[in-house]
Amino acid sequence: QKEVEQNSGPLSVPEGAIASLNCTYSDRGSQSFFWYRQYSGKSPELIMFIYSNGDKEDGRFTAQLNKASQYVSLLIRDSQPSDSATYLCAVNEDSNYQLIWGAGTKLIIKP
Amino acid sequence: NAGVTQTPKFQVLKTGQSMTLQCAQDMNHNSMYWYRQDPGMGLRLIYYSASEGTTDKGEVPNGYNVSRLNKREFSLRLESAAPSQTSVYFCASSDSGRGADTQYFGPGTRLTVL
Repeated sequence: QKEVEQNSGPLSVPEGAIASLNCTYSDRGSQSFFWYRQYSGKSPELIMFIYSNGDKEDGRFTAQLNKASQYVSLLIRDSQPSDSATYLCAVNEDSNYQLIWGAGTKLIIKP
Repeated sequence: NAGVTQTPKFQVLKTGQSMTLQCAQDMNHNSMYWYRQDPGMGLRLIYYSASEGTTDKGEVPNGYNVSRLNKREFSLRLESAAPSQTSVYFCASSDSGRGADTQYFGPGTRLTVL
């Protein structure tokens, strides 16, 4: 059974601080890794994806991938109240159409 | 350019009733998906269609059927609704469905089965 694990939270972070979200996965064959954001009552939307070991930066967001340890993380710098949402981690094998999703981490940014 | 649209937005059914959830995308994507999302659980794939004319079961297909009507439309049917099918249903689409391919989601259908 392929699994993606996330701490459900809530993770509470002061405004302006760095929020760190973590995700572990069980399938060593996973090739692509995604972070989606989901506001309450809304649909998921892609923040970024990563498929190479190391860091990938996009504005205030940095995704970090460590395939040897089978984890992927998302850092949010200068956190804003508008970043308060549930963050979903998903992984994919290149040969497979199916994304495997974590249950999400609820992030709360306190003003 | 509406992206992915779903109808209806809300629905209440009685046990045993049937209904069809409609999904359409205008991004010329090849792959389409139906998920359900329950509290405390990740998105679970019900069915997907890798390309027009094909459909495959996902993780939780029991109690559902799908039709890929054409490249734009992918419908989900509940033949005899059960309370366990109370959930939020999302349709999504992607260009190829392979590798680092982004999935774009519709706004969701909130279904309650009494």
